[in-house]
Amino acid sequence: AQSVTQLDSHVSVSEGTPVLLRCNYSSSYSPSLFWYVQHPNKGLQLLLKYTSAATLVKGINGFEAEFKKSETSFHLTKPSAHMSDAAEYFCVVSDWTGANNLFFGTGTRLTVIP
Amino acid sequence: DTAVSQTPKYLVTQMGNDKSIKCEQNLGHDTMYWYKQDSKKFLKIMFSYNNKELIINETVPNRFSPKSPDKAHLNLHINSLELGDSAVYFCASSQTPGQGAYEQYFGPGTRLTVT
Repeated sequence: AQSVTQLDSHVSVSEGTPVLLRCNYSSSYSPSLFWYVQHPNKGLQLLLKYTSAATLVKGINGFEAEFKKSETSFHLTKPSAHMSDAAEYFCVVSDWTGANNLFFGTGTRLTVIP
Repeated sequence: DTAVSQTPKYLVTQMGNDKSIKCEQNLGHDTMYWYKQDSKKFLKIMFSYNNKELIINETVPNRFSPKSPDKAHLNLHINSLELGDSAVYFCASSQTPGQGAYEQYFGPGTRLTVT
């Protein structure tokens, strides 16, 4: 079975400081992993995806994530937080069964303090 | 151009009513999905359609029924609405699943409130 665990329900950082949102996954197969962002009252936007190519994945808006198989982790980072980064972030795992099932984490709310 | 669109954006209705939410995508994708996001922001898949065939059907009450007139549209019909159906419903689309997992593109959501 596939699942993800987002280790923090809420992260608060000061503007200009690094962001770290943690995610651990569980998968019976080689996983495909995604990070999505949801701004207040908006839909979900794909930040980045990992599909067994390079383990360090770069996404939009300066975000990146590193796939670590030994740690079953896929943490999201950004060197310097911006006010516009305040949102809900979802770590998502899919499998390769062909159905493209997506399993969402419970989300991490990122607050950026001016 | 909006890639995945949903109507309406807000829907307020009374218990027992029947309602529909429409979804359209202009990305040329063959697979479309419906998700439910509860009050705690948890997202769970409800249905997906691939070439007009249902390929996922989670434990969703049969009061919910997806209908796809063509591969660009996947509408969600809900009969006999209950208070617990209040949530935000998201439509999404992707390339046809197969050799790998493809990212899904989401619509803006429909906030359903049942009173």
